[in-house]
Amino acid sequence: QVQLVESGGGVVQPGRSLRLSCAASGFTVNTHGMHWLRQAPGKGLEWVAMISYDATQTHYIDSVKGRFSISRDGSKNTLYLQMNSLRAEDTAVYYCAKDLFGSRWCNYFDSWGQGSLVTVSS
Amino acid sequence: EIVMTQSPATLSLSPGERATLSCRASQTIGKNYLAWYQQKPGQSPRLLIYGISTRATEIPARFSGSGSGTEFTLTISSLQSEDFAVYYCQQYTNWPITFGQGTRLEIK
Repeated sequence: QVQLVESGGGVVQPGRSLRLSCAASGFTVNTHGMHWLRQAPGKGLEWVAMISYDATQTHYIDSVKGRFSISRDGSKNTLYLQMNSLRAEDTAVYYCAKDLFGSRWCNYFDSWGQGSLVTVSS
Repeated sequence: EIVMTQSPATLSLSPGERATLSCRASQTIGKNYLAWYQQKPGQSPRLLIYGISTRATEIPARFSGSGSGTEFTLTISSLQSEDFAVYYCQQYTNWPITFGQGTRLEIK
């Protein structure tokens, strides 16, 4: 059974850093494209970043380029999102999600974590 | 960036009725890279439909997707109480991956 469990969220001041983790079970992060998405309070879904199934490519939404970095550790079966220079507009619930299919480009999200709230406020 | 526009913003229907939700893309969606998600309050989204019309695992047959080019539709043939939620369409033709703003399906 696939499970994704995010951690690392919290309240942080503008300009500071935070790292989110997403522990996976029931599948291997090394074989699936993995994503971070977010949802600001009362708003819709926004895709943030992805790492390809073979880890050869990463992509980011423009608003986080140069500030956020997605990575994975196969030995821990965990996905990460390093968030630097945080801004108030980064406040959201952050979800990790896996691609529907492994070992290929897919970008449909068939399993999601429960979400981790990040609040950027002074 | 491909902008996805969903309509209506809110749809009020009764159980047993048919729901038709629309999603329009600002550019042609290539290779059928169009999906639909359902999100209930306090829950993570759930994949319903991918590739425009393929139901995800364990999704009931009352959910169907259709469309092509820039116009797409999610149809729920006979609404059940558990279907009242927010629905999002999502595209992956170009980066970034983008979602529509959502349609809230509420009980009339």
